[in-house]
Amino acid sequence: KAGVTQTPRYLIKTRGQQVTLSCSPISGHRSVSWYQQTPGQGLQFLFEYFSETQRNKGNFPGRFSGRQFSNSRSEMNVSTLELGDSALYLCASSPNGGEVDTQYFGPGTRLTVL
Amino acid sequence: LAKTTQPISMDSYEGQEVNITCSHNNIATNDYITWYQQFPSQGPRFIIQGYKTKVTNEVASLFIPADRKSSTLSLPRVSLSDTAVYYCLVQGTYKYIFGTGTRLKVLA
Repeated sequence: KAGVTQTPRYLIKTRGQQVTLSCSPISGHRSVSWYQQTPGQGLQFLFEYFSETQRNKGNFPGRFSGRQFSNSRSEMNVSTLELGDSALYLCASSPNGGEVDTQYFGPGTRLTVL
Repeated sequence: LAKTTQPISMDSYEGQEVNITCSHNNIATNDYITWYQQFPSQGPRFIIQGYKTKVTNEVASLFIPADRKSSTLSLPRVSLSDTAVYYCLVQGTYKYIFGTGTRLKVLA
């Protein structure tokens, strides 16, 4: 099976712009989670989607949003970019999400905000 | 807010056993503990998962005491290629809290 893929791998934006990141989960996986990774804050949970519904959201401002399509592919959007949004954004998929499902991570999208 | 903490870094020599601890004082009854390995410019990779007592697979062991407020990842006979950052994850119902990460450096 192909792994989790994320596009683009690298992105450079300027403050005030918006950005959309894409994630294709492993075939058959219906849960997709997004994480932000920074040197200062580590790995922080953004949100999780299952069957096109957001099931949980981390402690991030409303500028961070996402969605999931019927084929389980997911996108996340960040509006009005700030310098502090520079990070590695990771997507993970699992069959159903929850306590025991193993999450499989993609390689991430490195976002740099200038 | 639940905090999951780990030692910042550890050094070890090739062939030694390495134990990395994770503290998760606020773990809930239905939460599981999962450990991941991450190399630079890659996403985290699954190592092992457990709920209580001891779990072992072909690459690691996971020890969880009865109170479940901590867990210990044990890597037997590490090699240079095990140099990476290791994260514990407390995962529950739609809840995912990563530890602060431990940077393991394996020396020749």
